[in-house]
Amino acid sequence: DAGVTQSPTHLIKTRGQQVTLRCSPKSGHDTVSWYQQALGQGPQFIFQYYEEEERQRGNFPDRFSGHQFPNYSSELNVNALLLGDSALYLCASSFPGTSGQETQYFGPGTRLLVL
Amino acid sequence: TQLLEQSPQFLSIQEGENLTVYCNSSSVFSSLQWYRQEPGEGPVLLVTVVTGGEVKKLKRLTFQFGDARKDSSLHITAAQPGDTGLYLCAGVPLYGQNFVFGPGTRLSVLP
Repeated sequence: DAGVTQSPTHLIKTRGQQVTLRCSPKSGHDTVSWYQQALGQGPQFIFQYYEEEERQRGNFPDRFSGHQFPNYSSELNVNALLLGDSALYLCASSFPGTSGQETQYFGPGTRLLVL
Repeated sequence: TQLLEQSPQFLSIQEGENLTVYCNSSSVFSSLQWYRQEPGEGPVLLVTVVTGGEVKKLKRLTFQFGDARKDSSLHITAAQPGDTGLYLCAGVPLYGQNFVFGPGTRLSVLP
């Protein structure tokens, strides 16, 4: 049983560009959350998707958007990249029927570098 | 300002020593979770504490939730090099909505 998978593993972009990160949840999970982890810090909650809709959102600008597909996989899109967007982006999935935050399984992350 | 504070920020000890790391907040949490994150990987859930005063043991790791549910501690007995990693506490504030992480304690256990 594959755990949470994310792609790509690493990405280099330049300021102003747009990026799309992808996540496949653990089998049987229907809720996906995205986090940004800057170097030396704990993860910060970006948003959570459930039933293809954004259910909760953290304190991130509208440049950060997402999508969830019928197979529960998800994408994180970031527009107009800034140097400060350089970070490890983590995806987490959780059991169906929960609020999505009791037991989360994290993927290995996508490391984004903005030059 | 961080909703969850962790201390110490860094800790380097010798194999076999005991240690305690702390997670504190001015807010009440309905539950707190502890994760360990190793380089190049996502955080892995170690434990969830729910009841004020609760103590949970996971082999050499002992987790405690404060009576007021504003703080938690993680005690490791006879640390081993395999315990090396970033220890994160996290949870949803009782009157909040979003899941928050602390900044973490980076532990290094030297052989």
